[in-house]
Amino acid sequence: DVQLQESGPGLVKPSQSLSLTCTVTGYSITSDYAWNWIRQFPGNKLEWMGYISYSGSTSYNPSLKSRISITRDTSKNQFFLQLNSVTTEDTATYYCARSGLRLWYFDYWGQGTTLTVSS
Amino acid sequence: DIVLTQSPATLSVTPGDSVSLSCRASQSISNNLHWYQQKSHESPRLLIKYASQSISGIPSRFSGSGSGTDFTLSINSVETEDFGMYFCQQSNSWPHATFGGGTKLEIK
Repeated sequence: DVQLQESGPGLVKPSQSLSLTCTVTGYSITSDYAWNWIRQFPGNKLEWMGYISYSGSTSYNPSLKSRISITRDTSKNQFFLQLNSVTTEDTATYYCARSGLRLWYFDYWGQGTTLTVSS
Repeated sequence: DIVLTQSPATLSVTPGDSVSLSCRASQSISNNLHWYQQKSHESPRLLIKYASQSISGIPSRFSGSGSGTDFTLSINSVETEDFGMYFCQQSNSWPHATFGGGTKLEIK
């Protein structure tokens, strides 16, 4: 079965960069699909952040485009989120999730990792 | 951007009731609308895809309907395990998905 698992630092200081890892088991991220990052703010609002496709192409939410980068390590079947110049407004639970590239719904999700931005 | 408005924000029901949750889009999105359930301290789970298509493993009491701008998630005879948050998500503006603000289904 496909499983996704996020990992990250838990706490980041304002103006720093955050880096999160999603480890995928049960499916190769180079076979098919898009591999996404989605975050949920306190108060429950969900925001799609971006994806890296099985071929390595990326797409980002325009609201984040200047700060975000999604990369991957195919040898470890992992993909990564980097978000630069974080502020307290980036405090959220971060999820990785799988979607189709045209069938654009999220069928597998990780359990989420909570990130707090605070000095 | 396409805005999804969910109503009501909170729905208080008794187990055994049948309920309808609404999701309205700011412009027509055909049937490019999906529903998720999120229980406390869990990640969202896909319930319905493309407005009305069922998902393997999801109980048959969950159903979806609608097209264009108005969509409904129906739960026939709510069970205690159904309480939590429900979100809709549009995929019409691929690849820029957006989500509704959610409806909280709580026990009366």
